[in-house]
Amino acid sequence: EAGVAQSPRYKIIEKRQSVAFWCNPISGHATLYWYQQILGQGPKLLIQFQNNGVVDDSQLPKDRFSAERLKGVDSTLKIQPAKLEDSAVYLCASSLDRARTDTQYFGPGTRLTVL
Amino acid sequence: AQSVAQPEDQVNVAEGNPLTVKCTYSVSGNPYLFWYVQYPNRGLQFLLKYITGDNLVKGSYGFEAEFNKSQTSFHLKKPSALVSDSALYFCAVRVFNNAGNMLTFGGGTRLMVKP
Repeated sequence: EAGVAQSPRYKIIEKRQSVAFWCNPISGHATLYWYQQILGQGPKLLIQFQNNGVVDDSQLPKDRFSAERLKGVDSTLKIQPAKLEDSAVYLCASSLDRARTDTQYFGPGTRLTVL
Repeated sequence: AQSVAQPEDQVNVAEGNPLTVKCTYSVSGNPYLFWYVQYPNRGLQFLLKYITGDNLVKGSYGFEAEFNKSQTSFHLKKPSALVSDSALYFCAVRVFNNAGNMLTFGGGTRLMVKP
């Protein structure tokens, strides 16, 4: 079974530039998550989708971050404009559904460096 | 607020010795607890989870975890450490809100297994 795919794996940009990350979840998984992992910390949830709808974006900095999952499968996370403090690894995860017993499976992440 | 804590930034153990990585939790209601491992430049890999039932949970790669309700702990263990177990380990708790399925992670513990 293929895992969660993410691209690109690495991205270096200058502050105030824009960047986009792509995620393709495990086939059949209805729930998709984006996490931000700053160096030396555990991942923190940015946004959660159920199929093509947003169910939790309370921790997403909406003035600069946006995300979509238009067809309920793959998803894109965008930052515009980027700040130095956005340097982090952006992890995508998926789970079968939102049941309490469902496990979240993570992709390899995209390491973003903002100069 | 529901949270987990990993009191040790790093754990050092000799190959062949037993290892323990500590995690304590603070939740209201029944806890749903997870362990993930992260190798360099890789995403998080699921090791095991506690939902209900037996307090000793067995997972991938020979790891197990012991749920202790009275001590609010969920320590990760392995009887005999391998050098290849060296990685970053994260404990997480499922937090329930209207969205239903957010994971809150601890700060991580780096495990170093020396030959």
